[in-house]
Amino acid sequence: SQKIEQNSEALNIQEGKTATLTCNYTNYSPAYLQWYRQDPGRGPVFLLLIRENEKEKRKERLKVTFDTTLKQSLFHITASQPADSATYLCALTGGGFQKLVFGTGTRLLVSP
Amino acid sequence: SQTIHQWPATLVQPVGSPLSLECTVEGTSNPNLYWYRQAAGRGLQLLFYSVGIGQISSEVPQNLSASRPQDRQFILSSKKLLLSDSGFYLCAWRSTADGSYNEQFFGPGTRLTVL
Repeated sequence: SQKIEQNSEALNIQEGKTATLTCNYTNYSPAYLQWYRQDPGRGPVFLLLIRENEKEKRKERLKVTFDTTLKQSLFHITASQPADSATYLCALTGGGFQKLVFGTGTRLLVSP
Repeated sequence: SQTIHQWPATLVQPVGSPLSLECTVEGTSNPNLYWYRQAAGRGLQLLFYSVGIGQISSEVPQNLSASRPQDRQFILSSKKLLLSDSGFYLCAWRSTADGSYNEQFFGPGTRLTVL
């Protein structure tokens, strides 16, 4: 069966450290993988998209890697700040470019 | 710029009552539109998506239906709510313009509680 797995346990790190979140998938062949941020009671906000032929993508303090052999994406936030505390969702294309399938998300807590 | 509106923000309804949630998008044409539900502590479940007026694809057989009467309007409905319909409902849109990315833009959501 198809699965997208993100660590359900919250990730607690100290301010200034690098946070690394993992997204693993099985039985998908996604053309794109995306990362979103969701704050409590709000809709997700798009952060980064990486294509299947790209190994790495960066945006400011964010970095995403995509390994189609391992079927894994890593999401890094460098120099993390308390304002980065949120739930981060990975999503990939499933069943056509029109649709995204989301993981359950990992909650990140950055303490001062 | 584009914006997406959803209303109401919160809703408390009795079991068996009807439901109508509305979503509108501004600043874009011919978007793909989506309805998701997020149960407490769970991921986003795609309920319906639409690639054009009157075109609705259902992802999960259930108590809900969707309609797209206008290009930038998407409505989620139910004739009789169940307790299991409680959750956080999110509308989203995706641009179909040439050169656009595949990302989706979400509305603020509707928190539905069925009692």
